[in-house]
Formats: sequence, structure tokens, C-alpha cells
Amino acid sequence: QKEVEQNSGPLSVPEGAIASLNCTYSDRGSQSFFWYRQYSGKSPELIMFIYSNGDKEDGRFTAQLNKASQYVSLLIRDSQPSDSATYLCAVNYLDSNYQLIWGAGTKLIIKP
Amino acid sequence: EADIYQTPRYLVIGTGKKITLECSQTMGHDKMYWYQQDPGMELHLIHYSYGVNSTEKGDLSSESTVSRIRTEHFPLTLESARPSHTSQYLCASSERQGGADTQYFGPGTRLTVL
Repeated sequence: QKEVEQNSGPLSVPEGAIASLNCTYSDRGSQSFFWYRQYSGKSPELIMFIYSNGDKEDGRFTAQLNKASQYVSLLIRDSQPSDSATYLCAVNYLDSNYQLIWGAGTKLIIKP
Repeated sequence: EADIYQTPRYLVIGTGKKITLECSQTMGHDKMYWYQQDPGMELHLIHYSYGVNSTEKGDLSSESTVSRIRTEHFPLTLESARPSHTSQYLCASSERQGGADTQYFGPGTRLTVL
């Protein structure tokens, strides 16, 4: 089992709706969780990160952690066509010496 | 947020050539990373450094080498390029924000070996 798993998609969401992206992780004393956005042909850019102790909201983006089921979600409200990209989840495990363990990414398509 | 620069942005080169991909950051971050990513595929860590004179190999076996003589500079070298090295190479550096080690990426170098 991979340590960080994401559904590769594509996930298709109509414009203006809420896009919900999930990422499951292994329980290794996970410390912090990251969401990056990557447009085709570009490098990943940080959206936000959360710790093991709470959720976070930043504008249209909300990251939520479900420890019992071992997954982290990214919700995008009022989805825009410009949100169409691949979303990468990464986890910083306590025993990984600050390295990020990356998921393969979920491709999101926002349909106008 | 980090300012990270990579040169060249695009490189097309013949088999057997020696190449060096440059990566520099201006924020004084101690930790730097090199990733390899094929189109539509996941990131693979090939090298990382936690400071000057510190380099380690990542999870993906790579024929490349790196050096870290200065904090701001982390070049990657391929002694003899092969078509299998064709890929996108991404450099990143990280800083501690609260309890999280946050990585920031450069624009990448797209390498094609003929």
C-alpha cells in the first residue's frame, strides 16, 4: 500500500459547484498535510497546509483532516475554470526527516 | 515564499553529452531538493540536501549527481545523457513554517535527449 494515495481522476465539476478532493495516508505519526496545485507543464505551487490538529480555510479553499478514516480533503468552493489543474497531496511524516511523501495527484476539470 | 531559479528552462541535447542543470534560491533555505517528473506522472525525489556539503540520494535511482558548495546553489549533473533521461526536472527549497517544512518549486527544466 502506498503511503499517500489519490484518485487520479479526472474529476469533473460544473462551474460554481464545490469540488472535493481526497487523499488517504498511512498512519505513521503524520505531522502535516499539504495541498499543491499543478497546471499542465508547470511546477507545483502551494495552496495550503494543515497540521494534525485542525482544519484550515483560506479564501475559497478549505483543507479538512479526518484522522479516524485517515484522509485529508481539499474543498474548492465556487469552482472556476481556472481551477482546472492537477492537485497534489503531500504528507510530512514524523519519521521522514522533513521530506514530503507525495501522492500521484488528482486531475480536476471545471466545466463552464 | 521562495524565489527559486532554474536554468535552462528547456534543453535538447544529444546522447552522451554532459549536462548541468542549475538551481539557485535567494531565500537562504538550508534544504533543497531535485525531483523528476514525466508528463502526467507523479513526482519522484532524486536528490536532496540539508545544507552545505550535505547531499543524499532520493527514492528514485538516478544516474545524476549533485553538489552543494553554497547554500543558494544546488546544481544537478548528468555525465552522459541518454534518451531515458528525457523528463522534467524540478528543483525545490523548503523553509520551516511553524511545525511544517514547506517546499517551494522552481519553474523546472524540460530535458530532451535525442
